[in-house]
Order: sequence, then structure tokens, then C-alpha cells
Amino acid sequence: NAGVMQNPRHLVRRRGQEARLRCSPMKGHSHVYWYRQLPEEGLKFMVYLQKENIIDESGMPKERFSAEFPKEGPSILRIQQVVRGDSAAYFCASSLGTASYEQYFGPGTRLTVT
Amino acid sequence: SQQGEEDPQALSIQEGENATMNCSYKTSINNLQWYRQNSGRGLVHLILIRSNEREKHSGRLRVTLDTSKKSSSLLITASRAADTASYFCATDPTVSNSGYALNFGKGTSLLVTP
Repeated sequence: NAGVMQNPRHLVRRRGQEARLRCSPMKGHSHVYWYRQLPEEGLKFMVYLQKENIIDESGMPKERFSAEFPKEGPSILRIQQVVRGDSAAYFCASSLGTASYEQYFGPGTRLTVT
Repeated sequence: SQQGEEDPQALSIQEGENATMNCSYKTSINNLQWYRQNSGRGLVHLILIRSNEREKHSGRLRVTLDTSKKSSSLLITASRAADTASYFCATDPTVSNSGYALNFGKGTSLLVTP
């Protein structure tokens, strides 16, 4: 049973470009979460999705960031017009359910904005 | 907002010694989870302890939870160099603006020297 897959593992973008980060949850998991980790910091929640639905995006910046989890295919975190402050590690996690279920994390995508 | 706070921020021990890390949180929780992160890698789920549990074991790991003090500890016995990593606690609060998000602390950086 493959774990949570994320790609790319490393992504370099120039300021103003778009970044697309992909996440495939563990088999059988329909709950996906995106977190951001700044250097020397813990993870900060961004968004929680189920198939075709955004359930909670309270941690997502209001502008330039969007997320989707289509019926077919991976979840996508999209950052438009990236700025240097977007440089971070972005982690995706999946779970079987919500409260009291373990969240399993992918290896992360390290975004560097130059 | 981040709820879990780990203590100490950094810990250096020799192989064979025990390592104890503590986590404090602010509001009531459904469960608390511990994760390990090796440098530049994703998070590995270690153990989940529910709010009605006081102690849990998994191999060389022992986790305690004291809901009256809003604190948890992670004990790694007979440490090995391979245990070198950052350790995070993450809480699943019962009441939150982000009802489905895990709240992470900044982590304890553990160094185990041969």
C-alpha cells in the first residue's frame, strides 16, 4: 500500500510565476490536508478537502492560493504569482476520517522562489 | 494558531540513554499525536493517544497524556543514532475554527551521538 505521494519534491519558481503542487492520498483515503512549514517552524494548516469539496480553507491565504481535489486525479495546491515569502515546504496528509484518525504525511514539496 | 509547544527545543544525548520530550497545549483535545521528521524529509506518524487514555506504548516509545495539566510526554528508551530527528506533537482540538486541522508545535530537535 503506497503512502501519500507528492510531486514534485523540489520546485524552483521565479517571482510572479505559478506553482502547482500535487498530492495523491493513500489508497482508500478520501480526506486530504495541506500544511506549510517554514524553516525551523512547525507545520501550519492550510486547507482540508474531500473529493470535489473544500471543507475548511481557514488557513489558506485569501489571495493567490487555491486548492482542489477533483473526482479523478490528485489534489492540487496552486500558488499564483509567487513571492519570496512563499518559499517553504508544503506537506500533504491524508486520513480515513476526521477526528481521532491518524493523518499520514507525504514527503513534501520544497518550493523555492528566486 | 499553534497550540502544541514542545520542550526542550533541542536535546543532545548519547546512544543508549533515554530521551524525554514534553508537549503542552492550551485547549481541550480529542487526541494528541507525535510525529518524527528527519532533516529535509516528511513527517512520520509515531503514535496517537486519545483524550481518554493516559499512557500508550509502541516499541521503544512511551507516550503519556495528562489532560488536567494539558501536557504530554514522549519517552524514547535506549536511544540510537537513527533516532536523531525533530519530534513534533500535534493536537486535534475539540473546538477550533479549523475543526479538522492538526495544530503543531515547533518541535524538539533530538541529536543522538554514538
